[in-house]
Amino acid sequence: SAVISQKPSRDICQRGTSLTIQCQVDSQVTMMFWYRQQPGQSLTLIATANQGSEATYESGFVIDKFPISRPNLTFSTLTVSNMSPEDSSIYLCSADRGETQYFGPGTRLLVL
Amino acid sequence: AQSVTQPDIHITVSEGASLELRCNYSYGATPYLFWYVQSPGQGLQLLLKYFSGDTLVQGIKGFEAEFKRSQSSFNLRKPSVHWSDAAEYFCAVGAETGANNLFFGTGTRLTVIP
Repeated sequence: SAVISQKPSRDICQRGTSLTIQCQVDSQVTMMFWYRQQPGQSLTLIATANQGSEATYESGFVIDKFPISRPNLTFSTLTVSNMSPEDSSIYLCSADRGETQYFGPGTRLLVL
Repeated sequence: AQSVTQPDIHITVSEGASLELRCNYSYGATPYLFWYVQSPGQGLQLLLKYFSGDTLVQGIKGFEAEFKRSQSSFNLRKPSVHWSDAAEYFCAVGAETGANNLFFGTGTRLTVIP
């Protein structure tokens, strides 16, 4: 398995600002993923982050809004830019190990 | 394309009763199947997974699931539910090439009454 931590665990932000979420894995992994879970909804994949290459974004998500960094094999960040109340969600990162995704605890974001 | 259906949005069971959560998938090849649980205010925890072999898989916390290819189903079961099992349960399907592309169902919320 993999142990994954995220920071911050929750935040309340003003519209128009940006928030960077950090994701740390306890050991090296090739692929990391970022998901959004809107209130009462299932998980939607935002992008896949591989070390040494640009993130691959899913339909409906763009780099300008959700820039991602992957500087090494244990760490990734997701920035939610120019936030609006519609960005209020839980953001989860996951890591792929043994053909299984393991998830972090999530970051609960409220945009006012 | 993969898809997952969890027909039950919300299920209520009494503590000690048995539980079955339904999951149907659509995928053209051999799927990788997963069940995750999300407790209130928590992230997702892997309960169990099926890749191949024995179609009845055992997971953590006393859960099991059975893969039925003919019915495209992967239902989750537990013989006796505990109050701490109250949570949201998500079924997910991945491509045979790995878990890189996971598709999640909409989830089933489980309420346990004393």
